[in-house]
Amino acid sequence: DTEVTQTPKHLVMGMTNKKSLKCEQHMGHRAMYWYKQKAKKPPELMFVYSYEKLSINESVPSRFSPECPNSSLLNLHLHALQPEDSALYLCASSQVVANQPQHFGDGTRLSIL
Amino acid sequence: GENVEQHPSTLSVQEGDSAVIKCTYSDSASNYFPWYKQELGKRPQLIIDIRSNVGEKKDQRIAVTLNKTAKHFSLHITETQPEDSAVYFCAASRGGSTLGRLYFGRGTQLTVWP
Repeated sequence: DTEVTQTPKHLVMGMTNKKSLKCEQHMGHRAMYWYKQKAKKPPELMFVYSYEKLSINESVPSRFSPECPNSSLLNLHLHALQPEDSALYLCASSQVVANQPQHFGDGTRLSIL
Repeated sequence: GENVEQHPSTLSVQEGDSAVIKCTYSDSASNYFPWYKQELGKRPQLIIDIRSNVGEKKDQRIAVTLNKTAKHFSLHITETQPEDSAVYFCAASRGGSTLGRLYFGRGTQLTVWP
C-alpha cells in the first residue's frame, strides 16, 4: 500500500487552465518533496518543504507554485503550463529532511494539450 | 555539485543468476546512498539504503556495498526472478545547503528472463 497519496492520478489540461495537484501523508513526516519525471529518466527535484517551510526551489518556473498548508498536505498549483511540462509528477515524504528515506506516492500523470 | 554515474544502463540476466549495478559519486561529503526500484508505470520504491559509516548491508536477496575511498557503491541481487525486472536508480545525498536533495544516477533497466 502506498503511504503517500496523490490526486488526481491523471490530468489533462490546456495551456490556459489552472489546476492543482494534491499530496497527503499521515506518517508524521516533516519533509515533503515535489519531483518531475520524464519517461526513462530519473526523478528531477522541484521543491523541498521542511516543517512546512520551503527550503529548496530548484529554479522552477513560476507557472509551478507549491503550497504546504500543514504538515500532512502538499499542493502544486499549475498555471499556463507548456507542452514540455507533460510528465509524471511525484510527491515524496521523509521523517525529516536530513538524509532520511524518501517515500514516493504513485504520482500524477500530467498531459498538456 | 554532486555527480552520480550509474552502470550499466541495461542489464539482462537469466532467472536465478546474480545482477550487479554499480554507481560512482564525486562528492566525498555524500553520506547517504539509497536505491530505488521503479516498475513500468509505478512509483519509485526504496529497496535498500546505506550510510557512510557502514560498508555493507543485506536484506534477503538484495545487498549494497559502499567503498568510501573509491567513492563507489553497488547493488547486488542474487537468485534473480522475473519480478525483479524494473529500472533501478541509485542516489547520493549529503547535508549542508543541499540537505534533502537526492542526486540520482541515470538508471539501469534490468530484465530477468525466465
